[in-house]
Amino acid sequence: GAVVSQHPSRVICKSGTSVKIECRSLDFQATTMFWYRQFPKQSLMLMATSNEGSKATYEQGVEKDKFLINHASLTLSTLTVTSAHPEDSSFYICSARDASGGTDTQYFGPGTRLTVL
Amino acid sequence: AQKITQTQPGMFVQEKEAVTLDCTYDTSDQSYGLFWYKQPSSGEMIFLIYQGSYDEQNATEGRYSLNFQKARKSANLVISASQLGDSAMYFCAMLDLFSGNTPLVFGKGTRLSVIA
Repeated sequence: GAVVSQHPSRVICKSGTSVKIECRSLDFQATTMFWYRQFPKQSLMLMATSNEGSKATYEQGVEKDKFLINHASLTLSTLTVTSAHPEDSSFYICSARDASGGTDTQYFGPGTRLTVL
Repeated sequence: AQKITQTQPGMFVQEKEAVTLDCTYDTSDQSYGLFWYKQPSSGEMIFLIYQGSYDEQNATEGRYSLNFQKARKSANLVISASQLGDSAMYFCAMLDLFSGNTPLVFGKGTRLSVIA
């Protein structure tokens, strides 16, 4: 299957700082990427849809000024958590949509565990 | 709106036995895809198997097979010959194939524990 990388895998930061998470599709081009947040023992919660070359579409209740998304190329989307606070501590995971080859499948990055002190 | 229901929060299975994880879905879309993902304790989401709504045959991938019953709107995952490494969370998900930018809709997941 296709490979999606995510960096960093783990980050610990102080309250008030900003953290950038990168999501890359390594062997395919992804016009659409998705950012999810997952709390312990819960399912994935969609935060936003990232479209290459245009503004991201945020889900209801997700602050777009706090979670900045940039999809500057067909293989890279970034999520920046601005002025992070302890309640932002979570597992963030991205996925990239691969519609080539006849099967529309989303492949996930390995996730980023964010801890805000 | 699409909805995925996984009614089993946790399941236990003996090593080398087969296990079925339930998934039912609700959608008004004519063309959709059904997916199963495995999430081990490391957190990564691993794609296991895909079934298109128009596929007449049930999908199979190694020890994984998808029991697709369209009339009943169910897409159960069958894992044969369970291994200790199969212990993980399993998520059923759905995608609208007509719309290009729709995300996967996930169920709440089933935690599978394989015991020796």
